[in-house]
Amino acid sequence: GENVEQHPSTLSVQEGDSAVIKCTYSDSASNYFPWYKQELGKRPQLIIDIRSNVGEKKDQRIAVTLNKTAKHFSLHITETQPEDSAVYFCAASIDSNYQLIWGAGTKLIIKP
Amino acid sequence: GAGVSQSPSNKVTEKGKDVELRCDPISGHTALYWYRQSLGQGLEFLIYFQGNSAPDKSGLPSDRFSAERTGGSVSTLTIQRTQQEDSAVYLCASSFQGQGGYEQYFGPGTRLTVT
Repeated sequence: GENVEQHPSTLSVQEGDSAVIKCTYSDSASNYFPWYKQELGKRPQLIIDIRSNVGEKKDQRIAVTLNKTAKHFSLHITETQPEDSAVYFCAASIDSNYQLIWGAGTKLIIKP
Repeated sequence: GAGVSQSPSNKVTEKGKDVELRCDPISGHTALYWYRQSLGQGLEFLIYFQGNSAPDKSGLPSDRFSAERTGGSVSTLTIQRTQQEDSAVYLCASSFQGQGGYEQYFGPGTRLTVT
């Protein structure tokens, strides 16, 4: 079955710098890749997703890139702000079963 | 509109007792998921309901765990003979499965503490 690996487990960046979180997946049939953000004590919420028919998607300061050949996708956050501090989860799915296979999460710390 | 709701928000129970956790999904969402999240950890998949299909129970950690979904809506997760290692936040999520994606909307969770 599908397996999703996420790196790093913790990422500390200076406010204003960029942050990149990477995930790899094992099943080449996966075609949907969402990213969720979980602030401390809150529930996870979808922040951006990408389908396998596109290579990049942007939404203001966040972007996701997908490399189908290498089976990896990444979350990019530019001009990081204190409110970006959270745990970020990647996931992968195949349309046919609607289940998300989750990465282990990355704790992003924004240093003032 | 109303989001996913869960009750109770907190539950403290003695080891060996049974507990029931409830999830009310968003109206019209056909899929419902249960996850467990231990402190500082990731999302551990427990069980998945999709419409009238047989649920995917592959994530349930032991036969002490069971779940039902009545009428395609409300779901109850039951843990029998609770153990201290069951202490965690139990998250429920629902999604509408159609064209355009299937974002999972999470509830606020139930924090279970087994003493």
